[in-house]
Amino acid sequence: GDSVTQMEGPVTLSEEAFLTINCTYTATGYPSLFWYVQYPGEGLQLLLKATKADDKGSNKGFEATYRKETTSFHLEKGSVQVSDSAVYFCALTRNTPLVFGKGTRLSVIA
Amino acid sequence: EAQVTQNPRYLITVTGKKLTVTCSQNMNHEYMSWYRQDPGLGLRQIYYSMNVEVTDKGDVPEGYKVSRKEKRNFPLILESPSPNQTSLYFCASSLAPVDSPLHFGNGTRLTVT
Repeated sequence: GDSVTQMEGPVTLSEEAFLTINCTYTATGYPSLFWYVQYPGEGLQLLLKATKADDKGSNKGFEATYRKETTSFHLEKGSVQVSDSAVYFCALTRNTPLVFGKGTRLSVIA
Repeated sequence: EAQVTQNPRYLITVTGKKLTVTCSQNMNHEYMSWYRQDPGLGLRQIYYSMNVEVTDKGDVPEGYKVSRKEKRNFPLILESPSPNQTSLYFCASSLAPVDSPLHFGNGTRLTVT
């Protein structure tokens, strides 16, 4: 079945560092891809999405590009802030309910 | 404000004592779902509902029940809770079951002793 693999955390960065969180997927056809973020004590929120190959999703300074050839949807941000500390989930859907990765915890220190 | 509301936020109970976690959404969404989140296991789907009176098992349905009598409400019922159901639970909803982003509640932390 469809699946999502994320890099394991935790990831610890200093403020203003560059962030990459890797996400690869296994699915036939053309799934829609999402990144969700979970701040401490809260539920998941949609961060960004891309619905077809080469689409770039972006929000709050985060970006991810749908790469069909490498089946990837890596999350990037050029300069992280302490307020970006959270757990990030990659997810896909392709005629199915959302399939989530296991999440990557990011800690940003001042 | 569009939201998914879960109650309670925290619940401590004892083995075997029936409990219900409520979930309500005000977005007229057709699709609703329950997940549990455990360290190292990520999110696992318990049950989902495509519409009123239509429910189906997710990946980990054992020990849980749900009902969908109204579009806005989707309660999660634990008839006889056990310690292995200690977890963080999330309700979520979306306009459609596929190709649609999910809106999550803030979670219910359940401890079963």
